[in-house]
Amino acid sequence: IVMTQSPATLSVSPGERAALSCRASQSVSTNLAWYQQKPGQSPRLLIYGASTRAAGLPARFSGSGSGTEFTLTITSLQSEDFAVYYCQEYNNWPSLTFGGGTKVEI
Amino acid sequence: EVQLLESGGGLVQPGGSLRLSCAASGFTFSKFAMTWVRQAPGKGLEWVSTITGSSGHTYYADSVKGRFSVSRDYSRNTLFLQMDSLRADDTAVYYCAKDLQYSAAAYFFDYWGQGTLVTVSS
Repeated sequence: IVMTQSPATLSVSPGERAALSCRASQSVSTNLAWYQQKPGQSPRLLIYGASTRAAGLPARFSGSGSGTEFTLTITSLQSEDFAVYYCQEYNNWPSLTFGGGTKVEI
Repeated sequence: EVQLLESGGGLVQPGGSLRLSCAASGFTFSKFAMTWVRQAPGKGLEWVSTITGSSGHTYYADSVKGRFSVSRDYSRNTLFLQMDSLRADDTAVYYCAKDLQYSAAAYFFDYWGQGTLVTVSS
């Protein structure tokens, strides 16, 4: 399975909405997770099951989609949200695939 | 508090070996699958290997199959990755990560270590 994220870089102003896309080369049902990674830090789980927020995640983060098309939406971007975001499918076990990432920049 | 602390990275020549460790604490280590994920400099994330909880079944990415071996020591709550026949394209930060789901693996990860850098170069 190939996971394609777009755009590669998204330029957004604080307070605006960001929509990040993740496309699978074949259906992964809703077996999709999203992670956030800031420079010099480890990834952080945001969303799993395509739309379930991880514990403690602010409500401004939401995930949607199924099959081959998925979206991570961040409403009203905060300064701490500028980071790289990765999607990961876990439908094709025993193999796991990450997308190439989307950098959200100011 | 869940903590994952990797160690063992460093500089190794092509064809050499290295053993990474990941010391886990703050959760019932035997009940969760554990995974290694790597990230080449300036690149994205790549799944490397997973070992399930109590059964200890192991799985590998095609890129490392036959060269890497994952194991776990339940008495020391430690995860290992033995890396042999290392190549330049194995150069990366290696993270250990804990599966979110208790007992039956879910194959996504709620806690990650800080990573350990492996550099393969002559």
